[in-house]
Amino acid sequence: QSALTQPASVSGSPGQSITISCTGTSSDVGGYNYVSWYQQHPGKAPKLMIFDVSNRPSGVSNRFSGSKSGNTASLTISGLQAEDEADYHCSSFTSTSTPYVFGTGTKVTVL
Amino acid sequence: EVQLVESGGGVVRPGGSLRLSCAASGFTFDDYGMSWFRQVPGKGLEWVSGINWNGGSTYYGDSVKGRFTISRDNAKNSLYLQMNSLRGEDTALYHCARDSSRHAFDIWGQGTMVTVSS
Repeated sequence: QSALTQPASVSGSPGQSITISCTGTSSDVGGYNYVSWYQQHPGKAPKLMIFDVSNRPSGVSNRFSGSKSGNTASLTISGLQAEDEADYHCSSFTSTSTPYVFGTGTKVTVL
Repeated sequence: EVQLVESGGGVVRPGGSLRLSCAASGFTFDDYGMSWFRQVPGKGLEWVSGINWNGGSTYYGDSVKGRFTISRDNAKNSLYLQMNSLRGEDTALYHCARDSSRHAFDIWGQGTMVTVSS
């Protein structure tokens, strides 16, 4: 099972919007609405930001939104803030022998 | 406070064994499935193994199948990962996490580091 493909880095200025892509196959991202996104600050545990492609857990800012088209899922952060600077990981349920696959990870930098 | 705390990591020689533990608090442990993940520093996450609420069903990634065993003790609010026949490529930070039941993981521990080296 290959990792989902994410850009290595994305950057933006405070207040701007950025979008992180997560590309898989029909066996994972394209086949199920079970894409999730995690935020991870250096030295910290991952934090669930989006589940089921576009749902936010309680307490997560509505500046974070998710979507999917075909085999590619996306996480958009609007009104970028300094505290959003972190690594972001996508994940999908899969139909293969390993039920969950993660993305390669994206480092978000706030300029 | 809802919390997961891992322990048991360390340095081990190739071919050796290690047992990781994950102590849960702040929630009803036996209401949830649990999983182990690993992360090479600076790299992405990898799902390693999962277990359902009562331990009756267990799941493993291809890279650890036959070498690792996941288990839980609901009376002790604890999750375990027995790792045997360890290899250099098993070197990583190991996290435990709670399954939200939506194929997503909503509570994570900070991890325990495993280094396999001669």
